[in-house]
Amino acid sequence: GENVEQHPSTLSVQEGDSAVIKCTYSDSASNYFPWYKQELGKRPQLIIDIRSNVGEKKDQRIAVTLNKTAKHFSLHITETQPEDSAVYFCAAGTGFQKLVFGTGTRLLVSP
Amino acid sequence: DTGVSQDPRHKITKRGQNVTFRCDPISEHNRLYWYRQTLGQGPEFLTYFQNEAQLEKSRLLSDRFSAERPKGSFSTLEIQRTEQGDSAMYLCASSYGQGGETQYFGPGTRLLVL
Repeated sequence: GENVEQHPSTLSVQEGDSAVIKCTYSDSASNYFPWYKQELGKRPQLIIDIRSNVGEKKDQRIAVTLNKTAKHFSLHITETQPEDSAVYFCAAGTGFQKLVFGTGTRLLVSP
Repeated sequence: DTGVSQDPRHKITKRGQNVTFRCDPISEHNRLYWYRQTLGQGPEFLTYFQNEAQLEKSRLLSDRFSAERPKGSFSTLEIQRTEQGDSAMYLCASSYGQGGETQYFGPGTRLLVL
């Protein structure tokens, strides 16, 4: 079955810096890669997603890149702000089926 | 609120008791998923429905766990003879079938088994 690895487990940056979180997946059949942000005690919220027919997608300060050959995808956050502090999860899935999540990255943005 | 809702939000029970959780998906979403999340981990897939049909169950889902979605709308997840290892956040998500892989999560039910 699918296995998703996520690094780093914790990431501390200064406000205004960029943050990069990397994930690798094992199942070449996976074709959908969402990223979720989860604040303490709250539900996971989708922040961006990418499908396997696209190599990069941007939404304001957030971007995701996908390398299908290497089976890895990354989340890039530019101009980080304290409110970006949260746990970020990557996931991989196939069509409308289950998502397999990474173990999460705790991002701390210091003012 | 038109998002995914779950009830109860918190449940404390004693080992050996049965518990049932409810999930109401976003209206017209035909797919509904259950995940379990323990502290410091990502959500872990349990099972999912398309309309009222249960299409996949995780190997992690022991026979003490059962889920239903009888009319293709809300779903229930029951855990029989609870064990301390069942303590976790139980998350429900829904998605809309036509070109919609995006899964929208509910607030979860936090279960503590004493």
